[in-house]
Amino acid sequence: QQQVKQSPQSLIVQKGGIPIINCAYENTAFDYFPWYQQFPGKGPALLIAIRPDVSEKKEGRFTISFNKSAKQFSLHIMDSQPGDSATYFCAASIAGTALIFGKGTTLSVSS
Amino acid sequence: DGGITQSPKYLFRKEGQNVTLSCEQNLNHDAMYWYRQDPGQGLRLIYYSQIVNDFQKGDIAEGYSVSREKKESFPLTVTSAQKNPTAFYLCASTPRGLYGYTFGSGTRLTVV
Repeated sequence: QQQVKQSPQSLIVQKGGIPIINCAYENTAFDYFPWYQQFPGKGPALLIAIRPDVSEKKEGRFTISFNKSAKQFSLHIMDSQPGDSATYFCAASIAGTALIFGKGTTLSVSS
Repeated sequence: DGGITQSPKYLFRKEGQNVTLSCEQNLNHDAMYWYRQDPGQGLRLIYYSQIVNDFQKGDIAEGYSVSREKKESFPLTVTSAQKNPTAFYLCASTPRGLYGYTFGSGTRLTVV
C-alpha cells in the first residue's frame, strides 16, 4: 500500500528523443507526486511535482502526466539532451508526511 | 546562501564502531529527514523529525539513532548494530506541512 513502483530501471535514448518514466501507486490517500533528478555523488533535486486534481503539468522540457483512475503517473522529457543523463526518482506523500520514493531510473542520453 | 550541509562527504568506519553523520540547515525548516540510498533500492527513510526534541522511526531505523536538540541540526548515528552500513546517506528538510524537500549533498559511508 505504501509502495511506489517505478519503471524502467534504466533507459537509453538518442539526443532529441522523448524518454518516458512510469510510476504506479496503490494508496489513494497520496496527494503529492514529485519527480527528483540526481547526478552522481549529489543529492536529488526537485524537478517537477503534481497534485492529483491535475492531469498534466509542464515545466520547460519536463512534463508530468497523471492518471488518477489508473493510479499511475509518468515523466516525459522533451528534446532530451546529454546533460539530462541522470537518475530520476518518482515519489509520493500524504499531507506533508515523509516522501516515499520509487527505486529510480538511470537515464542515458547519447549524442 | 541557504541550504543543507552534510559532513563529511566521505567517511570510513571500522566494523564495530559507531559513527555520526552531520546535517545542518539554515533554511529555517521545521522538518528534517534521513534517507539511505543503495544502488537499485531508491531512497529509504531512516528517521524524520517534524519539530525540535521529537522524531519518528522510518522504514529502516534499526541500527540507527538520531537527536534533534536544535532546529538547524539533525545528526544521524550509525551504530555497530547496523549490519550493513555501507551506503550513501542523504539528509533533507522542508517547512512543516509543506511538501518540497531540499536535499544535502550526501555522505558516503564505507565500512572497512
